[in-house]
Amino acid sequence: EPEVTQTPSHQVTQMGQEVILRCVPISNHLYFYWYRQILGQKVEFLVSFYNNEISEKSEIFDDQFSVERPDGSNFTLKIRSTKLEDSAMYFCASSEERGRGGQGRRTDTQYFGPGTRLTVL
Amino acid sequence: GIQVEQSPPDLILQEGANSTLRCNFSDSVNNLQWFHQNPWGQLINLFYIPSGTKQNGRLSATTVATERYSLLYISSSQTTDSGVYFCAGYYNTDKLIFGTGTRLQVFP
Repeated sequence: EPEVTQTPSHQVTQMGQEVILRCVPISNHLYFYWYRQILGQKVEFLVSFYNNEISEKSEIFDDQFSVERPDGSNFTLKIRSTKLEDSAMYFCASSEERGRGGQGRRTDTQYFGPGTRLTVL
Repeated sequence: GIQVEQSPPDLILQEGANSTLRCNFSDSVNNLQWFHQNPWGQLINLFYIPSGTKQNGRLSATTVATERYSLLYISSSQTTDSGVYFCAGYYNTDKLIFGTGTRLQVFP
């Protein structure tokens, strides 16, 4: 069964450094997402991406975050200048169709990658 | 926006026991998913179930969309079922709204 993959599995960085988290979505999916989970808390939406542009973002996704699909397979999340509070598990997800305006079909199911655990020191 | 509440927050079982986890949502959803987060932090898709009932082995789920709740049943629990169970839904938006989760511990 196709899977979403993410690299690296763990990333340790110093406060103020830039990090890039990488994801390879499922190949026939067109919609891509990033979520994060601070330790012990629930999973929170960051951003959705379609057709090379952001389609929706949360309040968390401020100017220090950016996303990019640099080629036909990768989807990246960049944090420009990391802060201690950015320490979290970051999940990438993908779906065939989108939720907005969706009809509740199986094809808007979001499939999640294994996550990247980011630790900011 | 949609609010998602899960109960109970914590559940401790002995191997072989059955359990029911509940997810209440504040508004209509056109997608509801159940996930299992294993001890390594991975989110595993269990069910896509905006309405009706589905079964997969020892797990089954029922969503009653008109009453805005979903139930996840775990039968004959095993230690490998331990972890956190999340439900998440959305309506006319791209973002899945996650509940706070139910932490399940199954002891031998």
